[in-house]
Amino acid sequence: KAGVTQTPRYLIKTRGQQVTLSCSPISGHRSVSWYQQTPGQGLQFLFEYFSETQRNKGNFPGRFSGRQFSNSRSEMNVSTLELGDSALYLCASSSTRGGTEAFFGQGTRLTVV
Amino acid sequence: QQQVKQSPQSLIVQKGGISIINCAYENTAFDYFPWYQQFPGKGPALLIAIRPDVSEKKEGRFTISFNKSAKQFSLHIMDSQPGDSATYFCAASGNSGSRLTFGEGTQLTVNP
Repeated sequence: KAGVTQTPRYLIKTRGQQVTLSCSPISGHRSVSWYQQTPGQGLQFLFEYFSETQRNKGNFPGRFSGRQFSNSRSEMNVSTLELGDSALYLCASSSTRGGTEAFFGQGTRLTVV
Repeated sequence: QQQVKQSPQSLIVQKGGISIINCAYENTAFDYFPWYQQFPGKGPALLIAIRPDVSEKKEGRFTISFNKSAKQFSLHIMDSQPGDSATYFCAASGNSGSRLTFGEGTQLTVNP
């Protein structure tokens, strides 16, 4: 079974631009969650999608948004990028809700210059 | 109340020794406690997880001990190997959906 696939692996963007990250979950998994990982703040929850609906949202500004498609693939968008958005963005997929058995992808390393 | 506190921040162990990492939580609604292992440049990998209805779970060299009354849980790595050198995160989730609350992480170094 293929794991969680995130694309692209690396991105360099300029402050003020927007970016879209993609996540393909494990086949059969309907829950996709996104996390931001930084040295200072650690791993922080962004949002969760289940059956194409956002079910849970972390404490991030509205510049961070996402969506999920009917095939469970998910995208995350960050608009008006700030230097502080530089981070590793991780996607986790799970067959159920509740954070159980969540499997992470390798992440997208976003650098904002 | 959503925090998970993890200690130590870093740990150095000799090959063959026991590595112990501790976590504490406040939110009594948490009912799932996983541990993740992360190598540089990789995403966190699920190692082992426990629910509050058991006090201990063992998988190979990895054991979770859980103390519900103290709201603490810990990871024990027996016979630690240099290949275990990585960052370990405890986490917790509850009845709010797929939101994992992570500890701050422990950087484990196992010397040969």
